[in-house]
Amino acid sequence: DVKVTQSSRYLVKRTGEKVFLECVQDMDHENMFWYRQDPGLGLRLIYFSYDVKMKEKGDIPEGYSVSREKKERFSLILESASTNQTSMYLCASSLIQGGHTEAFFGQGTRLTVV
Amino acid sequence: DAKTTQPTSMDCAEGRAANLPCNHSTISGNEYVYWYRQIHSQGPQYIIHGLKNNETNEMASLIITEDRKSSTLILPHATLRDTAVYYCIVRVQMEYGNKLVFGAGTILRVKS
Repeated sequence: DVKVTQSSRYLVKRTGEKVFLECVQDMDHENMFWYRQDPGLGLRLIYFSYDVKMKEKGDIPEGYSVSREKKERFSLILESASTNQTSMYLCASSLIQGGHTEAFFGQGTRLTVV
Repeated sequence: DAKTTQPTSMDCAEGRAANLPCNHSTISGNEYVYWYRQIHSQGPQYIIHGLKNNETNEMASLIITEDRKSSTLILPHATLRDTAVYYCIVRVQMEYGNKLVFGAGTILRVKS
């Protein structure tokens, strides 16, 4: 089975801290994604990456950056955490086969910024 | 990017068919429709996808209108374990790779 692992289930950080959320997938997928999930808003795409060192902005990239130095690892960075970044963060990876893209999600990291 | 519109919530009786509608009126010709569901405290899981034709798998059926502006996910015999948030998604093709554009989802409550 494909496994997407996020380093923490729960995280509490202080305003202004630099925060790293780590995601690792074990199936050699090209595409990796970071979403945030908020009540009533569903999942919103922050950044995605289609290859090592390649990244594209999603719908809400402000206040975030990403790093993909290795194919299996995609990191989300909050340069200076703020309380409005308190949310559930979901990482996903996907492989394209015959036009079909099935994304596999991690369990999520619930980040609280105080 | 194409956006999807879904009802906020729906109820369904156990054992009956659950029909979840989705509007994607701005979808482009090469954009697929995907459905995922998310059970509480887990990440979303893939259910089914389609482009033009109706599709069926062991979990569900997907009915896409001829003009592709809307679709319906059908769970033929809903069980209590199908209670979840269901997301209708458009897969947007980029120059390199593709991305899944989620809507707000429908909360489906299956009741005994």
